[in-house]
Amino acid sequence: GAVVSQHPSRVICKSGTSVKIECRSLDFQATTMFWYRQFPKKSLMLMATSNEGSKATYEQGVEKDKFLINHASLTLSTLTVTSAHPEDSSFYICSARYGQGADTQYFGPGTRLTVL
Amino acid sequence: GENVEQHPSTLSVQEGDSAVIKCTYSDSASNYFPWYKQELGKRPQLIIDIRSNVGEKKDQRIAVTLNKTAKHFSLHITETQPEDSAVYFCAASKGSNYQLIWGAGTKLIIKP
Repeated sequence: GAVVSQHPSRVICKSGTSVKIECRSLDFQATTMFWYRQFPKKSLMLMATSNEGSKATYEQGVEKDKFLINHASLTLSTLTVTSAHPEDSSFYICSARYGQGADTQYFGPGTRLTVL
Repeated sequence: GENVEQHPSTLSVQEGDSAVIKCTYSDSASNYFPWYKQELGKRPQLIIDIRSNVGEKKDQRIAVTLNKTAKHFSLHITETQPEDSAVYFCAASKGSNYQLIWGAGTKLIIKP
């Protein structure tokens, strides 16, 4: 149980284009999902908290108009990187909170984004 | 806000020996402390967690201890094996928004 998938696993795009990343909880309903960014050899940096049916809460310094998050159902959250630039290249990972009132987060496999 | 410090940043141990990674947190309201293992290019995987109403938890070769007074928790891995080599992250949460505050990570190297 508690399996989270993420798609795509890798994406290469041209500067100025938009990229959508999907995060799905496969065998449970996730009221809350989280989006992280991870730089090489660094810890996870929380970008935003996504609650089903409401607007995402963004961390300080994260542009909400650039990183659009939609959590339309209890099993799917999407992150769209709009007008991507080379500095947006990174490893993006989602997680889903599992269990009623629980803190445990299970992670997707991550998406490696490369912007040329 | 909450801050989690993790030490050491790199730990090299002989195969079969024990490894200990330590974390301290600043917010006394934190009540959930998970440990994740991340291999290169892979997702973080939950290996063990502990809640503030418990002082110690063990799962085979892995154990976590929590000292609420000192705001300190540790990961203990016994009889280390080559497959234990990875980066380990500690985290803390206080449940209000379920956000995890992460440590900087420890690269564990198991020497054959």
